[in-house]
Amino acid sequence: GQNIDQPTEMTATEGAIVQINCTYQTSGFNGLFWYQQHAGEAPTFLSYNVLDGLEEKGRFSSFLSRSKGYSYLLLKELQMKDSASYLCAVLDSNYQLIWGAGTKLIIKP
Amino acid sequence: EAQVTQNPRYLITVTGKKLTVTCSQNMNHEYMSWYRQDPGLGLRQIYYSMNVEVTDKGDVPEGYKVSRKEKRNFPLILESPSPNQTSLYFCASTTGAHNTGELFFGEGSRLTVL
Repeated sequence: GQNIDQPTEMTATEGAIVQINCTYQTSGFNGLFWYQQHAGEAPTFLSYNVLDGLEEKGRFSSFLSRSKGYSYLLLKELQMKDSASYLCAVLDSNYQLIWGAGTKLIIKP
Repeated sequence: EAQVTQNPRYLITVTGKKLTVTCSQNMNHEYMSWYRQDPGLGLRQIYYSMNVEVTDKGDVPEGYKVSRKEKRNFPLILESPSPNQTSLYFCASTTGAHNTGELFFGEGSRLTVL
């Protein structure tokens, strides 16, 4: 079966750095997405990785290793507004998105 | 403003009473999709459409119907709702048939079936 694993919940301190991991086992791979979802709101797009390596976008970076079936989202200089759930999703060989259950990130002052 | 609009945002209904959740996008996107989100389970796809008059089942299609008569609209129909369909529903769209683009989500429709 297809599976996306990410931690259920993480806690970090304002101003710090946090890394949210995502491992996947899917039938084929056509890219990996990260979305941010604040409580009670819709998910919003953060990043898309299809090649190995690190992609940086402001305070957020996303890394992919296809050989290891692994990605992480790195958030720097954490702000209180970063408190949200972070969703990892993989596009499989049929171009269907397989979603992880999400990681709830709690930021403490 | 580019957006996906869902209605209603909140609905409480009773078992067996047919309802429709509308979804409309103004970005001329080919691909549209419906998801349900339940605690601890993540997003699960109900139905998707790669273009007008083309719809396909997702992972959890039972108890739902959809139609795609126009490019901009993709309504979700619950013919006979049951309590296990109580959930948060999201409509989403993206450009391109291969779903490799950013998904734009509606604000969500919270449905309670008593």
